[in-house]
Amino acid sequence: GENVEQHPSTLSVQEGDSAVIKCTYSDSASNYFPWYKQELGKRPQLIIDIRSNVGEKKDQRIAVTLNKTAKHFSLHITETQPEDSAVYFCAASGSNTGFQKLVFGTGTRLLVSP
Amino acid sequence: DADVTQTPRNRITKTGKRIMLECSQTKGHDRMYWYRQDPGLGLRLIYYSFDVKDINKGEISDGYSVSRQAQAKFSLSLESAIPNQTALYFCATSDFNGNTIYFGEGSWLTVV
Repeated sequence: GENVEQHPSTLSVQEGDSAVIKCTYSDSASNYFPWYKQELGKRPQLIIDIRSNVGEKKDQRIAVTLNKTAKHFSLHITETQPEDSAVYFCAASGSNTGFQKLVFGTGTRLLVSP
Repeated sequence: DADVTQTPRNRITKTGKRIMLECSQTKGHDRMYWYRQDPGLGLRLIYYSFDVKDINKGEISDGYSVSRQAQAKFSLSLESAIPNQTALYFCATSDFNGNTIYFGEGSWLTVV
């Protein structure tokens, strides 16, 4: 089955810096890669996703890149702000007996200091 | 976003007791899930259901059971709770393609 590894487990940056979180996956059949943000005490919420037919997707200050050959994808946050502080989860899924099952990484705790 | 509602939100129970976590949704989604979140381990799938007649084990189903009472309701039971089942539990839903997962607010369960 799919295995997703996520690094780093914690990341501290200064406000205004960029942050990059990286994930690798094992199943070459995976074709959907979402990122979820979980603020303290709240539920995970989807912030951006990418499918295997594109290499990069942007939404304001966040972007995701995908390298299918190397089987890794990354989340990029530019001009970080204190409200970006949260735990971020990557995930991967692909067709498996007709069901796309998300497998999550172990999470990255991002701390943005003012 | 109260579309996926979990009860109870917090529960402390004793070892060996049976505990049920309930989930209801108003999104009209067919697919429902139960995940467990532990520090450093991310979100792990316990059970998932395509519809009321479909139940499937996830990666960590041992010690848990589920019931899909209706399209909108999916409950998780711990038949005999043990301390290592102390965790944050999330119910979630998705539409037919199963991609975007919408989580409930979570249920903190402590087994003492």
